[in-house]
Amino acid sequence: QKEEEQNSGPLSVPEGAIASLNCTYSDRGSQSFFWYRQYSGKSPELIMFIYSNGDKEDGRFTAQLNKASQYVSLLIRDSQPSDSATYLCAVNFYGQNFVFGPGTRLSVLP
Amino acid sequence: DAGVTQSPTHLIKTRGQHVTLRCSPISGHKSVSWYQQVLGQGPQFIFQYYEKEERGRGNFPDRFSARQFPNYSSELNVNALLLGDSALYLCASSLSGVDSYSNQPQHFGDGTRLSIL
Repeated sequence: QKEEEQNSGPLSVPEGAIASLNCTYSDRGSQSFFWYRQYSGKSPELIMFIYSNGDKEDGRFTAQLNKASQYVSLLIRDSQPSDSATYLCAVNFYGQNFVFGPGTRLSVLP
Repeated sequence: DAGVTQSPTHLIKTRGQHVTLRCSPISGHKSVSWYQQVLGQGPQFIFQYYEKEERGRGNFPDRFSARQFPNYSSELNVNALLLGDSALYLCASSLSGVDSYSNQPQHFGDGTRLSIL
């Protein structure tokens, strides 16, 4: 079973700051990487996915992938209280299932 | 367009009973995956079905089974329920299966919260 680790939480940032969430994975055969947001009591909601090394931006969100170092990050700029949630990273290994990390709880303080 | 729909939303069972959870994927999606999520943890993969065939199985006992129907909807069955089966069961759909080069993202339904007494 491939394993993922996410930076220990919970993470608290003030409103307007940049929140940085990190995820490392243990297998070099990984193909694609996903970030999901999960509000308490709700199901995961897809935020972004990234397949290639480098950065991918979508609004206030930037996903960063470094396959050589085996990590993927999510940056949230201008953090808002509504961004307070648990963020899950998922890795899809080719020919295998999605593997989710344990999640990082983010709190954005007004 | 409707998203992934799951039923029921909540379910209370006792130990030893069996349960059937249902999922309808997003229109056009042919792959359905099932996950178990306990409080404080990420979703754990149970099954994936694509084109009505099992394409992946997680580390769950044989008490767990699933199937996919011709209309791509799916059922998850759990027999001989244990207290430890209490969790949020999530269904996710995607355009293609895990053995596809396209690596399509998965979209989740609202889940079924199963409580075992």
